[in-house]
Amino acid sequence: RKEVEQDPGPFNVPEGATVAFNCTYSNSASQSFFWYRQDCRKEPKLLMSVYSSGNEDGRFTAQLNRASQYISLLIRDSKLSDSATYLCVVNIGRGSTLGRLYFGRGTQLTVWP
Amino acid sequence: NAGVTQTPKFRVLKTGQSMTLLCAQDMNHEYMYWYRQDPGMGLRLIHYSVGEGTTAKGEVPDGYNVSRLKKQNFLLGLESAAPSQTSVYFCASSSDRLYPYEQYFGPGTRLTVT
Repeated sequence: RKEVEQDPGPFNVPEGATVAFNCTYSNSASQSFFWYRQDCRKEPKLLMSVYSSGNEDGRFTAQLNRASQYISLLIRDSKLSDSATYLCVVNIGRGSTLGRLYFGRGTQLTVWP
Repeated sequence: NAGVTQTPKFRVLKTGQSMTLLCAQDMNHEYMYWYRQDPGMGLRLIHYSVGEGTTAKGEVPDGYNVSRLKKQNFLLGLESAAPSQTSVYFCASSSDRLYPYEQYFGPGTRLTVT
């Protein structure tokens, strides 16, 4: 079983739509959680970290449910520039593997005009 | 502050040839990583390093070697390239002191083995 599972999509939504991505992780000892964004043929870039209390950054809201081992990302008022692949990422390391991250395969989003 | 840089950006190799990919970071990060990304497979960890002079195997280490002689550099070597190693290779780094330990990626190296 993979450490991080997410729906690969693709999600195709019109501009202005609200779209939600979900992700589950298998290791209950996971310590930190992220959403990364990857544009076509580019490197992944950190979109936002996900905290237990939930956090918001402009149009983006991330939620974490530790009991269900579930992470979500909500994008409101979608823009054409939001088209990308969104990667769910989890850190379950301790000690010498503290920094090691586990990546989901990504959810592809296309926003159309 | 360039962040994480990778050289070369593109390379074509013939089967059996060798090459070294160079990753450099200027953020004084302790941890460095090499990943490969293939269509439909997501990012897979090849090797990583938790400090100068130390390396460890990741998820898919076979066919690759690494060295971390200087804190800022992490080299990935292919001794005898195979077509199965055609991929996009990303280097990343992170700090061991700054929770939540997010990683910063280089722009990638696109390698084709014919």
